[in-house]
Amino acid sequence: QKEVEQDPGPLSVPEGAIVSLNCTYSNSAFQYFMWYRQYSRKGPELLMYTYSSGNKEDGRFTAQVDKSSKYISLFIRDSQPSDSATYLCATTGANSKLTFGKGITLSVRP
Amino acid sequence: GAGVSQSPSNKVTEKGKDVELRCDPISGHTALYWYRQSLGQGLEFLIYFQGNSAPDKSGLPSDRFSAERTGGSVSTLTIQRTQQEDSAVYLCASSLSGGGETQYFGPGTRLLVL
Repeated sequence: QKEVEQDPGPLSVPEGAIVSLNCTYSNSAFQYFMWYRQYSRKGPELLMYTYSSGNKEDGRFTAQVDKSSKYISLFIRDSQPSDSATYLCATTGANSKLTFGKGITLSVRP
Repeated sequence: GAGVSQSPSNKVTEKGKDVELRCDPISGHTALYWYRQSLGQGLEFLIYFQGNSAPDKSGLPSDRFSAERTGGSVSTLTIQRTQQEDSAVYLCASSLSGGGETQYFGPGTRLLVL
């Protein structure tokens, strides 16, 4: 079992839809949780960063962490074609290295 | 300011040749990371530098892979005697001081081994 599991997709939604992306992790030592967005042929860029259980909102994006069930979610409201990209969940403990899910490719249809 | 830069953007090499990949981190960032992204395996950690030291090399897949960092800045990842399975995108990231801080990624080097 990989330390971080993420549904591989792909996922296609119409513009304006609410998107829900999810990951699970197995290592209780993980303390920091991130979502990265990666456009084709580009490096990953940080979208959301959370430390503890709960919700964090930034514009149309909400990151949710439930440490008791080891579950990480990203919600995108009013999705736009420009949101079409690969989304990667990632986590780390005190040792710095990031452990990533495999990523899910999202396509938002106009 | 300038982000993380990597060179070359693309590299095509023949099996058995050595390659060097370069990373220039964000100025002032003491922590530097190398990752590899391939279709089958996703994004995987290779090595972590704090300053010029590498306290975590646990992700290097074989002794053909090595990395160094000089002057607390530029890092070079070297792959000796390349194999076709080394074909991947090699990504570099840096953060201010390590720990759980935000890692900023470069655009990557796309390596193809023929």
